[in-house]
Amino acid sequence: NAGVTQTPKFQVLKTGQSMTLQCAQDMNHNSMYWYRQDPGMGLRLIYYSASEGTTDKGEVPNGYNVSRLNKREFSLRLESAAPSQTSVYFCASSDSRRLRGDTGELFFGEGSRLTVL
Amino acid sequence: TQLLEQSPQFLSIQEGENLTVYCNSSSVFSSLQWYRQEPGEGPVLLVTVVTGGEVKKLKRLTFQFGDARKDSSLHITAAQPGDTGLYLCAGGRYSGAGSYQLTFGKGTKLSVIP
Repeated sequence: NAGVTQTPKFQVLKTGQSMTLQCAQDMNHNSMYWYRQDPGMGLRLIYYSASEGTTDKGEVPNGYNVSRLNKREFSLRLESAAPSQTSVYFCASSDSRRLRGDTGELFFGEGSRLTVL
Repeated sequence: TQLLEQSPQFLSIQEGENLTVYCNSSSVFSSLQWYRQEPGEGPVLLVTVVTGGEVKKLKRLTFQFGDARKDSSLHITAAQPGDTGLYLCAGGRYSGAGSYQLTFGKGTKLSVIP
């Protein structure tokens, strides 16, 4: 019962390097999200994808790009990493449908810990 | 602007004590969720409250949604070391794109000392 799987779990980058965080869910959920978590800041939404083929900016999108590859996979790319992007990144998915009145439980991965030197 | 204010930010108590964590906002939400996060893991949903004034109980945990759906509280009775973790509240509403958007508070880090 995998749920939401993120790779890699740990990564160290130098300033200016690029990398992609991968996320896959096996629950057939429509919506997927990328959050970052920093000490004292809680979880902040970077980008989300309400459904396959759509992506939208969240609260802190600058410096990131995303791709909803298919219904299962949602990747986050850092084109030119900066020390301010040192954080723990969480991917999440949900299966909320407005017409159903669902209230959007989020299922999270275990996180990807990124350090930018 | 932080839409959801959680307090206290840190809480260290002895096993067996009671505690309350607060989550306040000036905005109205369709629902309020509480998550618990343990070190090295992602948050896990504890409860969702959707109706103003609603009270839900989960063993020793009692959750309440404010009448105006702007605030919530989490009360733990007779805390146990297993309750240790980061507690996050999250207010939810649907976006124009149809997805459910959650805004998280900064969290309350609870330590229960045996």
